[in-house]
Amino acid sequence: GENVEQHPSTLSVQEGDSAVIKCTYSDSASNYFPWYKQELGKRPQLIIDIRSNVGEKKDQRIAVTLNKTAKHFSLHITETQPEDSAVYFCAAANTGNQFYFGTGTSLTVIP
Amino acid sequence: GAVVSQHPSWVICKSGTSVKIECRSLDFQATTMFWYRQFPKQSLMLMATSNEGSKATYEQGVEKDKFLINHASLTLSTLTVTSAHPEDSSFYICSASKGGGAGGKNIQYFGAGTRLSVL
Repeated sequence: GENVEQHPSTLSVQEGDSAVIKCTYSDSASNYFPWYKQELGKRPQLIIDIRSNVGEKKDQRIAVTLNKTAKHFSLHITETQPEDSAVYFCAAANTGNQFYFGTGTSLTVIP
Repeated sequence: GAVVSQHPSWVICKSGTSVKIECRSLDFQATTMFWYRQFPKQSLMLMATSNEGSKATYEQGVEKDKFLINHASLTLSTLTVTSAHPEDSSFYICSASKGGGAGGKNIQYFGAGTRLSVL
């Protein structure tokens, strides 16, 4: 089955700096890679996703890159703000719609 | 929009009792629903995949008889934790996936989760 690894587990950045979270996956059949943000006690919210036919996608301050050959993808948040503080999960999905989540990264943005 | 409602949000029960958790897609038909378990400060662990009208597919290590899943309609799936014990205490989250279309097929929309505390 799919194995998704995520690093780092915790990340602290100063407000305005950038944050980068990296994930690797094992199953070459995975073709969809969403990123979710989960605030304490709340449901995960999709923030950005990328499909295997695309190498990069950007949405305002958030971007995701995908390297299919190396089987890794990354989340980039620029100009971080305190409200970006949350736990971020990457996931890899196959055509069967099953998501396999990374272990999560707790991001703290220091004002 | 795509709203998924999950109830109850928090349930406390005695050891040995059964608890049912409901997951509803409010404004779309969910061809597939998923059930996850999340321990504090840990990731979401997929328990089972549920397709409407068919038996759920359980992940390795998840007891089918312990966690009963019913997906009776395109908008409702239920998870019943049977004979709950303290080790079943956890945060259970459902998600629902829209069907059809290359753009929307894989996106999962999550419920708010159910915190189960077994005494």
